[in-house]
Amino acid sequence: EPEVTQTPSHQVTQMGQEVILRCVPISNHLYFYWYRQILGQKVEFLVSFYNNEISEKSEIFDDQFSVERPDGSNFTLKIRSTKLEDSAMYFCASMGAFGNQPQHFGDGTRLSIL
Amino acid sequence: DAKTTQPPSMDCAEGRAANLPCNHSTISGNEYVYWYRQIHSQGPQYIIHGLKNNETNEMASLIITEDRKSSTLILPHATLRDTAVYYCIVRVAVANAGKSTFGDGTTLTVKP
Repeated sequence: EPEVTQTPSHQVTQMGQEVILRCVPISNHLYFYWYRQILGQKVEFLVSFYNNEISEKSEIFDDQFSVERPDGSNFTLKIRSTKLEDSAMYFCASMGAFGNQPQHFGDGTRLSIL
Repeated sequence: DAKTTQPPSMDCAEGRAANLPCNHSTISGNEYVYWYRQIHSQGPQYIIHGLKNNETNEMASLIITEDRKSSTLILPHATLRDTAVYYCIVRVAVANAGKSTFGDGTTLTVKP
């Protein structure tokens, strides 16, 4: 069964450094998402992406964050200058062409900011 | 998106059916009900979804009340590996409005 894959599984970064989290969505999916989950808290929506542009973003997704689909298979989340509070699990998700279809999530990248 | 309410925790004996309820009394006509589960800190795993008819797949069954204000996820023969946090999510079925809003979910513990 096709799945969403994320790399790396764990990323350790110094505060203030840039980090890029990578995702390979399910092929033929058209809608892409990033969510995050701080330890012990709820899964929170960050951003949705379709047709090479952001469809919706949350208040969390400020100017430090950006997303990109650099080629036909990858979907990335960049944090420009990481803060301690960016430490969390980051999940990528993708969805097919129709709005009633489910989103499928990857297993996440654990981001630890030192 | 409509808000959902789930019990914080439930126990189930191994081999028995697990019935997980969800209230979504403010659901609107174009919103579907989706169920996911999360084991430890893995990514949410899709289980099943529906609009108004009952649905069944290889993992579970979904029963939606006629007024659509509540639903029940049924795991017919729970195993220890079904121990997880289960999330009921209501989402508008419009592709460009696909944000999923997660609540606290129900922590299901399957006991031997």
